[in-house]
Amino acid sequence: QVQLQESGPGLVKPSQTLSLTCAVSGASVGSGNNYWSWIRQPAGKGLEWIGRIYSNGNPSFNPSLKSRVALSLDTSKNQFSLRLSSVTAADTAVYYCAKFPPGSWGQGTLVTVSS
Amino acid sequence: QAVVTQEPSLTVSPGGTVTLTCGSSTGAVTNGHYPYWFQQKPGQAPRTLIYDTSIRHSWTPDRFSGSLLGGKAALTLSGAQPEDEAEYYCLLYCSGPVVFGGGTKLTVL
Repeated sequence: QVQLQESGPGLVKPSQTLSLTCAVSGASVGSGNNYWSWIRQPAGKGLEWIGRIYSNGNPSFNPSLKSRVALSLDTSKNQFSLRLSSVTAADTAVYYCAKFPPGSWGQGTLVTVSS
Repeated sequence: QAVVTQEPSLTVSPGGTVTLTCGSSTGAVTNGHYPYWFQQKPGQAPRTLIYDTSIRHSWTPDRFSGSLLGGKAALTLSGAQPEDEAEYYCLLYCSGPVVFGGGTKLTVL
């Protein structure tokens, strides 16, 4: 059974860069037909897809966030990472990492953007 | 980018049947959109119910089924239980970007 766990700062200042890591167990981030994804959810709102990175390192992004997002894989640590630059209060949300297919999710981590 | 639409809210009686739908602004939803369905209860992470249109996850009760219906992806719940009250989201792969629907709040009453 695949398990994912997000980690990173819970508070980020405006204009800085949000950095999160997703540790994976039960699957290898660098192999298989797997898409490693980041999704976020502001309080009381719906889910928003941020982007995904294929097991070969090929990324794709939500067009509305593309200019601010970077994704990476670390096969040595079996984890993948999200960097979101120039954050504002609108980036405050619970951030989830997930593996597709077939859709395994981390428990989510709340990131608040505030000075 | 495509807009993915779901019913904002639906109500079903215990033991009843309800169908949730997921449409795309760019046209008919097909198997090539690899539709996913997720269930989310308050304070919890989403949980995948259905992927690739109709494949149940290992933990998905068989009262949930996925299909294509009238140009949309559909999630049918047959024999609703009180514990099925939740928010349901669909996801479509839209020629590159992945897009979530806005969610359907399902009430079992």
